[in-house]
Amino acid sequence: KAGVTQTPRYLIKTRGQQVTLSCSPISGHRSVSWYQQTPGQGLQFLFEYFSETQRNKGNFPGRFSGRQFSNSRSEMNVSTLELGDSALYLCASSMSASGNTIYFGEGSWLTVV
Amino acid sequence: AQSVTQLGSHVSVSEGALVLLRCNYSSSVPPYLFWYVQYPNQGLQLLLKYTTGATLVKGINGFEAEFKKSETSFHLTKPSAHMSDAAEYFCAVSDQGGSEKLVFGKGTKLTVNP
Repeated sequence: KAGVTQTPRYLIKTRGQQVTLSCSPISGHRSVSWYQQTPGQGLQFLFEYFSETQRNKGNFPGRFSGRQFSNSRSEMNVSTLELGDSALYLCASSMSASGNTIYFGEGSWLTVV
Repeated sequence: AQSVTQLGSHVSVSEGALVLLRCNYSSSVPPYLFWYVQYPNQGLQLLLKYTTGATLVKGINGFEAEFKKSETSFHLTKPSAHMSDAAEYFCAVSDQGGSEKLVFGKGTKLTVNP
């Protein structure tokens, strides 16, 4: 059974550009969530989607957005990139019942120069 | 609001020694508790979780953790450290409200010395 797949794994962008990251959850999982990991702030929750609806949102500016498609695949977008957006972006999926195991992908490493 | 405190950002042990990684949480509702491990340049892997029932939880790779409500703690232990245990460990909490949102601690980097 394939795990959570994130693409691309590594990317470099310039300040002011926008970026889209993709996540394919484990087959059968309907909940997808996104986290940002940085050395200074640690792991921070961005947002969670279930059945194409955003169910929960973290404390990030509106430049960070996401969506989920009918096949549960998800994308997150960051517009007008800033240097501080450089981070590892992790996608996670689960069966979407409280207490269920949440499985993480390998992450997308974003460097903003 | 929920929060997680991991005492010690770095812990160093000798191979074969006891591993103890500390985690305290704050939650206004009964929490679900998790320990994840992250190896360099990889994502997070679940070690173990507590939802309900037995407060001593056994996980993968010989790790276990005990939920102590009175102490609001969920410390991670392993009787005998192995070199392959060197990694960063994260404690996380979620509530039972139906959300999959995890609140993570800052992490503890474990070094295992030969």
